Amino acid sequence: EDQVTQSPEALRLQEGESSSLNCSYTVSGLRGLFWYRQDPGKGPEFLFTLYSAGEEKEKERLKATLTKKESFLHITAPKPEDSATYLCAVRQGGANNLFFGTGTRLTVIP
Amino acid sequence: DTAVSQTPKYLVTQMGNDKSIKCEQNLGHDTMYWYKQDSKKFLKIMFSYNNKELIINETVPNRFSPKSPDKAHLNLHINSLELGDSAVYFCASSQLGDLRYEQYFGPGTRLTVT
Repeated sequence: EDQVTQSPEALRLQEGESSSLNCSYTVSGLRGLFWYRQDPGKGPEFLFTLYSAGEEKEKERLKATLTKKESFLHITAPKPEDSATYLCAVRQGGANNLFFGTGTRLTVIP
Repeated sequence: DTAVSQTPKYLVTQMGNDKSIKCEQNLGHDTMYWYKQDSKKFLKIMFSYNNKELIINETVPNRFSPKSPDKAHLNLHINSLELGDSAVYFCASSQLGDLRYEQYFGPGTRLTVT
């Protein structure tokens, strides 16, 4: 069965303390891996799409990478405003919907 | 200039009632979705419409019925509400033929059934 697993469930960082979030997946025919940010009481906000192993995308302090089995979201020198839940989702070949993981709740302490 | 909007934002109702949630997108997308996010924050697809045609219908009780009057609108009607229907419901849209395929989400509707 297709699965998306994110770890850790929750992560507390000091401001400026870099770290990585993990998203491992088991799907056949990956047609895209997506990272979203979700703030409390709001809808998920699109961050990145990765399509093939070795691909990397960057946006401000965030960098997403993809291998054949997992994706990492690296956060460099995080700030308190980076606090949010980060969701990973995959699209399987032939499928029209996204299959989401349960997210990593990130808290950055000033 | 909200891209994907939903109404209402909060909905509190009693068991057995019937309620509707409305969604509109102004992005010109041809595909819209309904997701349910449970108390553990797990986001799961319920339905998807492409150009007013149902293309995804996951295992959802028949009490849930989506309706798409045009490709910019997707409504969700729920009959005979149950306690387990309490959740946050998100509408989303995307351009199906776009290789980037990212989905844009609305702000959510928090449904509480008492």
